[in-house]
Amino acid sequence: DAKTTQPPSMDCAEGRAANLPCNHSTISGNEYVYWYRQIHSQGPQYIIHGLKNNETNEMASLIITEDRKSSTLILPHATLRDTAVYYCIVRVGAGYSGYSTLTFGKGTMLLVSP
Amino acid sequence: DGGITQSPKYLFRKEGQNVTLSCEQNLNHDAMYWYRQDPGQGLRLIYYSQIVNDFQKGDIAEGYSVSREKKESFPLTVTSAQKNPTAFYLCASTPSLAGLQETQYFGPGTRLLVL
Repeated sequence: DAKTTQPPSMDCAEGRAANLPCNHSTISGNEYVYWYRQIHSQGPQYIIHGLKNNETNEMASLIITEDRKSSTLILPHATLRDTAVYYCIVRVGAGYSGYSTLTFGKGTMLLVSP
Repeated sequence: DGGITQSPKYLFRKEGQNVTLSCEQNLNHDAMYWYRQDPGQGLRLIYYSQIVNDFQKGDIAEGYSVSREKKESFPLTVTSAQKNPTAFYLCASTPSLAGLQETQYFGPGTRLLVL
């Protein structure tokens, strides 16, 4: 199973871009990179995912390196409401049952301050 | 609005008591999941279900049981065999388990406390 490494915490000033890194050096060729975030005491919220190309949606941008061993989630204009734990997840490959699930690590605690 | 509901928001359990956490979804998703989250930790998979009347153990299934009698419902029972049940429990769903591109939708969670 591919695992991810993220810094435990990061700070960002309100209005500035937040760049959250993730290492996934053992990722397999058909595994996607997912980003979720969790605001305190709530369920995780999907942000974005990608395979090899950079992706952008209304919430964020995802930059994946050419060798796919790392990625960066970019929140272009961070607000106070973006304070949360951000999880970088590589979709675990299907096991004997043919099913695949997500494996959440400890994530990065992003603190956006005024 | 479509989504996942969990109830109750807070649940108290006495020693030796079984308790059941509710999870309902109206997204017409086939697959449903239960996770446990301890303070400062990531989510750990307890059980998951691909389809009605089918479910599989996750990484930490001991002391838990589930049922999937209806597509929209996936209740989790925390039995007395679970010696450290205090945690935040999250239910999730996806259209199916087979696709690598499918995102998970999460409920608001139930916080279980042992008295």
